[in-house]
Amino acid sequence: QVTLRESGPALVKPTQTLTLTCTFSGFSLSTSGMCVSWIRQPPGKALEWLARIDWDDDKYYSTSLKTRLTISKDTSKNQVVLTMTNMDPVDTATYYCARIGYCGGDDLDYWGQGTLVTVSS
Amino acid sequence: DIQMTQSPSAMSASVGDRVTITCRASQGISNYLAWFQQKPGKVPKRLIYAASSLQSGVPSRFSGSGSGTEFTLTISSLQPEDFATYYCLQHNSYPPFTFGPGTKVDIK
Repeated sequence: QVTLRESGPALVKPTQTLTLTCTFSGFSLSTSGMCVSWIRQPPGKALEWLARIDWDDDKYYSTSLKTRLTISKDTSKNQVVLTMTNMDPVDTATYYCARIGYCGGDDLDYWGQGTLVTVSS
Repeated sequence: DIQMTQSPSAMSASVGDRVTITCRASQGISNYLAWFQQKPGKVPKRLIYAASSLQSGVPSRFSGSGSGTEFTLTISSLQPEDFATYYCLQHNSYPPFTFGPGTKVDIK
């Protein structure tokens, strides 16, 4: 079955770079049409889509955050990595990764459990 | 970027009520719309995909409709376990994707 799990630091300091890893199983990012997205949710607030990486290494970013985000994949390890630079307390959120079964038209069908990242000095 | 609005932002309803939530896109998105349910401290759960297709395992009291710029999620008879926040997501084939701001459904 499809599973995804986010990992990374629970606490980062302002101005630091956050690196999160999504480790998945049950599918391969080398499969044509497959992709993975990152989403976040500040405490008590709405969901926010962040980035997507496709099987063919195409990458897409939130317009408001694209200067701070980098998404990459390691197909051999079944991992997707998201880095976010210059962290600020407003970036405190639960960060989720999710699968998209077909980049050309599907949405987020499987989600990880999320990882809470707090930005504080 | 495509902007999404939802109405209402919050509502109080009783068990057995018919509930309708509307999601509007700032430009046409065909049927590239999904609905998610989220309970406090839990992962969002997909209810509807492609605007009107029911996710496997989701009760049939949930339904979705719409195309283009206006979409609705309907719960035909609200159950106690349905009190939650509902989000729409537009995933028009070219990103960025956009979530709606959410609709919180609580007990009257």
